[in-house]
Amino acid sequence: ETGVTQSPTHLIKTRGQQVTLRCSSQSGHNTVSWYQQALGQGPQFIFQYYREEENGRGNFPPRFSGLQFPNYSSELNVNALELDDSALYLCASSSARGNEQFFGPGTRLTVL
Amino acid sequence: KNEVEQSPQNLTAQEGEFITINCSYSVGISALHWLQQHPGGGIVSLFMLSSGKKKHGRLIATINIQEKHSSLHITASHPRDSAVYICAVRATGTASKLTFGTGTRLQVTL
Repeated sequence: ETGVTQSPTHLIKTRGQQVTLRCSSQSGHNTVSWYQQALGQGPQFIFQYYREEENGRGNFPPRFSGLQFPNYSSELNVNALELDDSALYLCASSSARGNEQFFGPGTRLTVL
Repeated sequence: KNEVEQSPQNLTAQEGEFITINCSYSVGISALHWLQQHPGGGIVSLFMLSSGKKKHGRLIATINIQEKHSSLHITASHPRDSAVYICAVRATGTASKLTFGTGTRLQVTL
């Protein structure tokens, strides 16, 4: 059984660019949640995907968007990057919407 | 005021000490999670609980739903326990969203 993986591990972008982060769910999991963790803060919920549909969204603007694929892997897309988007982006998968979540190692995004 | 508050923010202990980290929350919840985050970012789920008490090795988590309070205890602490411990809650009626505390940074010294 493979755990949750994320790619890339680190990424540097400049303001105004677009970025795509990827997450592979743990085997057998159909739900993926994305979180943003700024330095020194707890993670903030961005959104969740369940069976390829968005299932809940936190207080993030529309330039944060996502996708979930038939194999339940997921992407987080951020358009028009801002300096404040610099953070660790975590994804977590679970076997159902309310079940225990298993986290990936994160992607550290730096926006210059 | 944050929906999830943790105390203390920072904690230093000597190897072997008994450690308690507290979490208070202000909303009705269906579940509470304790998570461990090591330097570099990876998060490991320690417990998910909705009532009572759970134990795994040297870790014990308790929750009091009426008082909206949970504690994480570490017995016989060890330097490898050094990490940030984060409490997160799933509010009632929200199957998807976890709300996190800001974490407790634990340093266990020899």
